[in-house]
Amino acid sequence: DAKTTQPPSMDCAEGRAANLPCNHSTISGNEYVYWYRQIHSQGPQYIIHGLKNNETNEMASLIITEDRKSSTLILPHATLRDTAVYYCTSPNAGGTSYGKLTFGQGTILTVHP
Amino acid sequence: SQTIHQWPATLVQPVGSPLSLECTVEGTSNPNLYWYRQAAGRGLQLLFYSVGIGQISSEVPQNLSASRPQDRQFILSSKKLLLSDSGFYLCASGGADAYNEQFFGPGTRLTVL
Repeated sequence: DAKTTQPPSMDCAEGRAANLPCNHSTISGNEYVYWYRQIHSQGPQYIIHGLKNNETNEMASLIITEDRKSSTLILPHATLRDTAVYYCTSPNAGGTSYGKLTFGQGTILTVHP
Repeated sequence: SQTIHQWPATLVQPVGSPLSLECTVEGTSNPNLYWYRQAAGRGLQLLFYSVGIGQISSEVPQNLSASRPQDRQFILSSKKLLLSDSGFYLCASGGADAYNEQFFGPGTRLTVL
């Protein structure tokens, strides 16, 4: 699995864009970058994933650097309900634990009114 | 999309008692199923993984076992609980390869006293 590094916490004003960085310098060529978030005491929720190209869905955008060593999750208009722990991860792409997820400490995003 | 059901939501059990946590999946067939444990501090540890009925892979040696009696049913068990088994247990369902997102259930918070 690629090791990921994220800042422990970030703040964002409601209605503004939240930009959450992640370093994954050991990622290999066939490993995707996935983002999940977890609201307190709930199960993690899938947000978005990508390999090389930037991706966008109804929840967020994912910007991946050309060298794939880092990425940024963008919540374009953060709301109070976006307050959560955000995890950047790269699932195991092979072996006996195919699809295994490993979450680090993640980033606690707090959206303020 | 998939829906993952887990029960019970919370459980308090004495040391040495048995355990049975159940997970069922809707909205897909032949999924990969996972049991994770999330300890305090937000880390996520994969406990068991299943690619089909009766097929279980264990990630770490422990006091727990898993079974998959039906395609969309995954059970986590223990004959005798230990204090160290306390935690937040999450069931997840994913596609057939590492490039599919995983859908998580709401989790079971287990406290062993």
